[in-house]
Amino acid sequence: DGGITQSPKYLFRKEGQNVTLSCEQNLNHDAMYWYRQDPGQGLRLIYYSQIVNDFQKGDIAEGYSVSREKKESFPLTVTSAQKNPTAFYLCASSIDPSREAFFGQGTRLTVV
Amino acid sequence: RKEVEQDPGPFNVPEGATVAFNCTYSNSASQSFFWYRQDCRKEPKLLMSVYSSGNEDGRFTAQLNRASQYISLLIRDSKLSDSATYLCVVNSNDYKLSFGAGTTVTVRA
Repeated sequence: DGGITQSPKYLFRKEGQNVTLSCEQNLNHDAMYWYRQDPGQGLRLIYYSQIVNDFQKGDIAEGYSVSREKKESFPLTVTSAQKNPTAFYLCASSIDPSREAFFGQGTRLTVV
Repeated sequence: RKEVEQDPGPFNVPEGATVAFNCTYSNSASQSFFWYRQDCRKEPKLLMSVYSSGNEDGRFTAQLNRASQYISLLIRDSKLSDSATYLCVVNSNDYKLSFGAGTTVTVRA
């Protein structure tokens, strides 16, 4: 089945620890995105990538890093510099940035 | 001003009722418009794209008003399974989809 796979579904992070969230797609989409969703709020863009080996900061990039070494993969690292990382993280892809995006099932990150 | 604004609701309606709500957007150059559905603690899923002429998909009708910069969603003959949060999404520039915070709809038996 074609789609977007995020892992893990749940992740617990200790204070001061970096963690990496995985996102893989087999839709042959060029554009990939990372969003963060907090309770009762809309999705906010962290990073996006329109093509392999290129990515751009979104609205809330501080404390996060990404890479795009392969078309299929767009991992997100939540660094210790992100002071309030507890949130629902959603990865998405689209055939091009003007078209609809399709989402993975999300990773729920909690700081313990 | 937020790029995309929605009435958060909740809209609480009986089964079989019609419910409609709007979303306004601030960037007059926006070109693409979508409605997504999000169930509790799940990922958003595309409900429908919104075209200039308006479009219908079964019980769902979407309209776009460029002059007033809003889009609307109407749900006819509501089902219990329509209970969800509906997200308005606007392509505000070449790379970015902007999401509203969502409108919550609850359909009661």
